[in-house]
Amino acid sequence: EVQLVESGGVVVQPGGSLRLSCAASGFTFDDYAMHWVRQAPGKGLEWVSLINWDGGYTYYADSVKGRFTISRDNRKNSLYLQMNSLRAEDTALYYCAKSNGGYDNPLGYWGQGTLVTVSS
Amino acid sequence: DIQMTQSPSTLSASVGDRVTITCRASQSISSWLAWYQQKPGKAPKLLIYKASSLESGVPSRFSGSGSGTEFTLTISSLQPDDFATYYCQQYNSHSTFGPGTKVEIK
Repeated sequence: EVQLVESGGVVVQPGGSLRLSCAASGFTFDDYAMHWVRQAPGKGLEWVSLINWDGGYTYYADSVKGRFTISRDNRKNSLYLQMNSLRAEDTALYYCAKSNGGYDNPLGYWGQGTLVTVSS
Repeated sequence: DIQMTQSPSTLSASVGDRVTITCRASQSISSWLAWYQQKPGKAPKLLIYKASSLESGVPSRFSGSGSGTEFTLTISSLQPDDFATYYCQQYNSHSTFGPGTKVEIK
């Protein structure tokens, strides 16, 4: 059974940093691209970032480019999102999602999310 | 970047109704479009991929159509479990989600 478990969400001050993690199990992790998608309270889904199977290709939404860094450790079956220079508008539930193949595929499995709150 | 729009933003319907949601892309995305269902407090669930392919385990009352810039999600006979918010997503060029359509009880 595919499982994605996010962690690391906390309350952080504006300008602060945070690293989210996603522990994956139930599938061959390094066969698939992975994504981060976020959802602000009461709002819609916003795609954040993707990484291909070996970490050699990454891409970011304009809203986070230059501030967030996606990475993965295939030995640990883990996905990460380093978030720097956090803003109030980054407050959201952050989902880790598994692509159905390469990075240009739909998202077949999602975690339950980890909540990031940016507030002073 | 490719922008996605959806209409309507909210849809009121009754059990048994046929429901159609439209999604439009700002440029052609061929058939690289997916539909997701999200219920309150839950993660999104993939329903349709490649515009019209039904994800395994998804009831056949859900169907998708379209190509290029205009797409539709149809629920042939709305069931109580279908009241939720639906999102389209393009994956032709990285990824973008539409703003969502909430299907509520009439």
